[in-house]
Amino acid sequence: EAQVTQNPRYLITVTGKKLTVTCSQNMNHEYMSWYRQDPGLGLRQIYYSMNVEVTDKGDVPEGYKVSRKEKRNFPLILESPSPNQTSLYFCASSKTLLSAYEQYFGPGTRLTVT
Amino acid sequence: QKEVEQNSGPLSVPEGAIASLNCTYSDRGSQSFFWYRQYSGKSPELIMSIYSNGDKEDGRFTAQLNKASQYVSLLIRDSQPSDSATYLCAVMGSTLTFGKGTMLLVSP
Repeated sequence: EAQVTQNPRYLITVTGKKLTVTCSQNMNHEYMSWYRQDPGLGLRQIYYSMNVEVTDKGDVPEGYKVSRKEKRNFPLILESPSPNQTSLYFCASSKTLLSAYEQYFGPGTRLTVT
Repeated sequence: QKEVEQNSGPLSVPEGAIASLNCTYSDRGSQSFFWYRQYSGKSPELIMSIYSNGDKEDGRFTAQLNKASQYVSLLIRDSQPSDSATYLCAVMGSTLTFGKGTMLLVSP
């Protein structure tokens, strides 16, 4: 089954404790991205990756890091989480950037930073 | 900064009515336009894409695009309570930009 998986689905952590949210897709997609979704602010792109070892900042990259060492995986790293990073996070993938109509979203990770 | 604007709603319609959702965008170079449906707490799901001016129909859904007016809309005919969700407009320029979404409530 074609899918994007994220782990964990729910996470409660404390300020400053480094964490990683994993994202994996099994469709051999080149393009992957991370979004955060907050009430009243909609979906905002954090980082995206056009292919392996190619990443770039989205609209709200501050406080986040990503890496793309393998085509299928695109982890999101919060080196020192803060309460303002409490949000619902989605990973998404598509064949290429130009084929956004085939964009698949993961199930989401609800992060709470206290 | 590229912007995609939607009325936040909620838009309330009775079952069986036509729901009309609207979206405007700022980037004149945008080429592709999408509508996603998102149920509360769930991930967005693509329901329509449109690339050229005019109408595109798929079942009960019709997407309309007017590039000159920088306007895209989604019509849902014979609205059902199961259509109650937030509808996100997304516009592809150099990247994919989402609007904040319009909440649709369909009452039985």
